[in-house]
Amino acid sequence: LAKTTQPISMDSYEGQEVNITCSHNNIATNDYITWYQQFPSQGPRFIIQGYKTKVTNEVASLFIPADRKSSTLSLPRVSLSDTAVYYCLVGYGNNRLAFGKGNQVVVIP
Amino acid sequence: GAVVSQHPSRVICKSGTSVKIECRSLDFQATTMFWYRQFPKQSLMLMATSNEGSKATYEQGVEKDKFLINHASLTLSTLTVTSAHPEDSSFYICSAMGTSGGAFNEQYFGPGTRLTVT
Repeated sequence: LAKTTQPISMDSYEGQEVNITCSHNNIATNDYITWYQQFPSQGPRFIIQGYKTKVTNEVASLFIPADRKSSTLSLPRVSLSDTAVYYCLVGYGNNRLAFGKGNQVVVIP
Repeated sequence: GAVVSQHPSRVICKSGTSVKIECRSLDFQATTMFWYRQFPKQSLMLMATSNEGSKATYEQGVEKDKFLINHASLTLSTLTVTSAHPEDSSFYICSAMGTSGGAFNEQYFGPGTRLTVT
């Protein structure tokens, strides 16, 4: 299973933009990059998915450099409700996904 | 968006008894479902992959006779924890993958089931 590495935790103030990085040095050619958000005692929630360059939706942007060995999830103007664990995963088709430790983001008032 | 439900949301059982957890895809058909376990302050750990109409594939270290998985239809998979013990207490999460095709079928996660074995 393709592995990912993320910082363990980070704090941010309300209203700021938060950028969360993820390393996936062994990403395969066919792999897509997907980010999930998890609140305590809930299942993960899909945020965004991409293959290369930049993807943007109503909640986040995903930046993927040309070598695809890393990616950055950008959350614009975070609020207290964005406090959660964020996971990045790589995979293809119906392949199994390996969750890394994730990044605990704490938004401070 | 795609919705996955789990039932029950939480269950308390006595040591030695069996518990069944249901995972349903409510508005789409799921050929593949996954079962995860999550201990407090830890990441999700994949237990098994369940494909409709076939036997589940278990990850290394997961006892298939203890964690029985049945994927009888395209919308339902069940996980039965047999002869549960306190160390089986955990948060069990399922996910379902649609049949829409494409290079990467994203997984839709259920809300999880909190199992406490006393």
